Amino acid sequence: AQTVTQSQPEMSVQEAETVTLSCTYDTSESDYYLFWYKQPPSRQMILVIRQEAYKQQNATENRFSVNFQKAAKSFSLKISDSQLGDAAMYFCAYRSGVHWSGTASKLTFGTGTRLQVTL
Amino acid sequence: NAGVTQTPKFQVLKTGQSMTLQCAQDMNHNSMYWYRQDPGMGLRLIYYSASEGTTDKGEVPNGYNVSRLNKREFSLRLESAAPSQTSVYFCASSEAGRGSYNSPLHFGNGTRLTVT
Repeated sequence: AQTVTQSQPEMSVQEAETVTLSCTYDTSESDYYLFWYKQPPSRQMILVIRQEAYKQQNATENRFSVNFQKAAKSFSLKISDSQLGDAAMYFCAYRSGVHWSGTASKLTFGTGTRLQVTL
Repeated sequence: NAGVTQTPKFQVLKTGQSMTLQCAQDMNHNSMYWYRQDPGMGLRLIYYSASEGTTDKGEVPNGYNVSRLNKREFSLRLESAAPSQTSVYFCASSEAGRGSYNSPLHFGNGTRLTVT
């Protein structure tokens, strides 16, 4: 079974600075997808960014980018120009791409990193 | 477009009581999921449904049952609630099948359940 590890329970960053959240995963599959979700205090789960394992280019979405190292099984999230609204719980998730047609593909989540943004 | 709707938002139960958490999606997704979220443990999959008429156990299915009523609705039932089931429960849906695995899960807003 795949596992996802987020080794930083809490992180803190000053407003306008850059922070990197770590995520590693364990899998024997070559076809998979990785996601970062944000959960603000409202409890809503919001997709931040996704990465296909077959793509070498790192995904970017505005101030959010990833550093995807397939050989090292690492998928870190970089937040640039941090804003107060970035304060949230961040979850890394893994989704297998190896499935029979018509089957559900589950997301496996890490334990999360709580990001605090200070003035 | 409502997305994924869960009811209720909050619930308090006594040990041994039963209840059903309701979930409906209007995105025409085939796959639906129930997760629970506990501090320090992330989200753990309870049950999922690949399509109408099928359900499968996830990582933590004990003490729960599910029903995929139709394509839109996927309910989670606690037959005899226990304090260990105190948690936040999320329903989610997604597209399914090959070519869809880069699609994200869409989540409801969660149900906070307390069992005393």
